[in-house]
Amino acid sequence: SQTIHQWPATLVQPVGSPLSLECTVEGTSNPNLYWYRQAAGRGLQLLFYSVGIGQISSEVPQNLSASRPQDRQFILSSKKLLLSDSGFYLCAWSGLESIGRSQYFGPGTRLTVT
Amino acid sequence: KQEVTQIPAALSVPEGENLVLNCSFTDSAIYNLQWFRQDPGKGLTSLLLIQSSQREQTSGRLNASLDKSSGRSTLYIAASQPGDSATYLCAVRSGANNLFFGTGTRLTVIP
Repeated sequence: SQTIHQWPATLVQPVGSPLSLECTVEGTSNPNLYWYRQAAGRGLQLLFYSVGIGQISSEVPQNLSASRPQDRQFILSSKKLLLSDSGFYLCAWSGLESIGRSQYFGPGTRLTVT
Repeated sequence: KQEVTQIPAALSVPEGENLVLNCSFTDSAIYNLQWFRQDPGKGLTSLLLIQSSQREQTSGRLNASLDKSSGRSTLYIAASQPGDSATYLCAVRSGANNLFFGTGTRLTVIP
């Protein structure tokens, strides 16, 4: 069966510090991978998605970036965090030909920027 | 751009009641609609997925309906239990790689 991991579970970082959140998927190959952010009182917003190694699409302009160094690894980064980057970050995966399929979510990372 | 709205934002019901959660979306050109459950501080658990060609899906005490032409979906929960307490999120897939989420309905089932 497939599983998706995210770490860390929680993170408190000062403004201006760097960020690296990691997501890995087990039990599947060539997944589509996604990063979402859930800010307080707002719905989930898609930040990035990837359909393959080194292929990253950004949905919203921001000071975050994403990378996919391996097939089942997806990393969310920032060089300098802003207060507005606080939120709950969720990684998700779906199979190929994902239009008709579910997205499956990881446990999330709670980021607080102070 | 697709916008998804969920009403009500919060709902409290006594245990055993049947209840309906509502979801509406502005662009009817969707591939599918998905209902998720989110427990506090946790990730999302997929409950039901309805393809654009389908009218409803059922899983146990849950039944989700889809009226694509009117841009509406409902999630019906029968015989609610305290363990059903969570936030329920509706999401529509309008593109190949994007889900548009509502802000959710926070459900509390009172024992």
